[in-house]
Amino acid sequence: EIVMTQSPATLSVSPGERATLSCRASQNIGSILAWYQQKPGQAPRLLISGTSTRAPGIPARFSGSGSGTDYTLTISSLQSEDFAVYYCQQYNNWPLTFGGGTKVEIK
Amino acid sequence: EVQLLESGGDLVHPGGSLRLSCAASGFTFSNYAMAWVRRAPGKGLEWVSAISESGDHTYYGDSVTGRFTISRDNSENTLFLHMDSLRAEDTAIYFCAKRPVPTYYYFDDWGQGTLVTVSS
Repeated sequence: EIVMTQSPATLSVSPGERATLSCRASQNIGSILAWYQQKPGQAPRLLISGTSTRAPGIPARFSGSGSGTDYTLTISSLQSEDFAVYYCQQYNNWPLTFGGGTKVEIK
Repeated sequence: EVQLLESGGDLVHPGGSLRLSCAASGFTFSNYAMAWVRRAPGKGLEWVSAISESGDHTYYGDSVTGRFTISRDNSENTLFLHMDSLRAEDTAIYFCAKRPVPTYYYFDDWGQGTLVTVSS
């Protein structure tokens, strides 16, 4: 099983600031990685697939990068609606695995 | 508009069984692979199971293999998850999710979830 480790667990950011979230895989996943956002009481929302391809309707302030075992989600200028929990997911190997999540909270 | 509506969540005793359903609409259900993902209280997302478009291929996470069975009825646009030998650690909100493209199992549409509580 590929273990996905996200850091930090909690990120405190002021509105308008940049947020950088990390996701590390226990082995090379060949950029086969997605990012999701989840708010309390809501379903997860796909942000990015294939490491860097934004899903339809996702604002350009969300960007993804990385390769091999290390991946990053960057939110360039945090808006109030961006405070949520973010998960990475690898889909290169079975079983599919998610990271433990990064909570982005208001500083 | 894609809609996925889960149902069937309930309070069940350890060792019990439950069947979850996910009614799909707004897309051609038989053209898309589907999956179940859960979130336990205070924890992150965990993939549970997935099924191919025709239902010929099924996949399970290690924690549910041998206890859960995923299936689908393409004539009724419905996804199912039959859960046996339930344990306290199966307590979670269960989401159904749709795979957007062939080959790769990530998920672009999700339901709102149904709560399963396993407790005596």
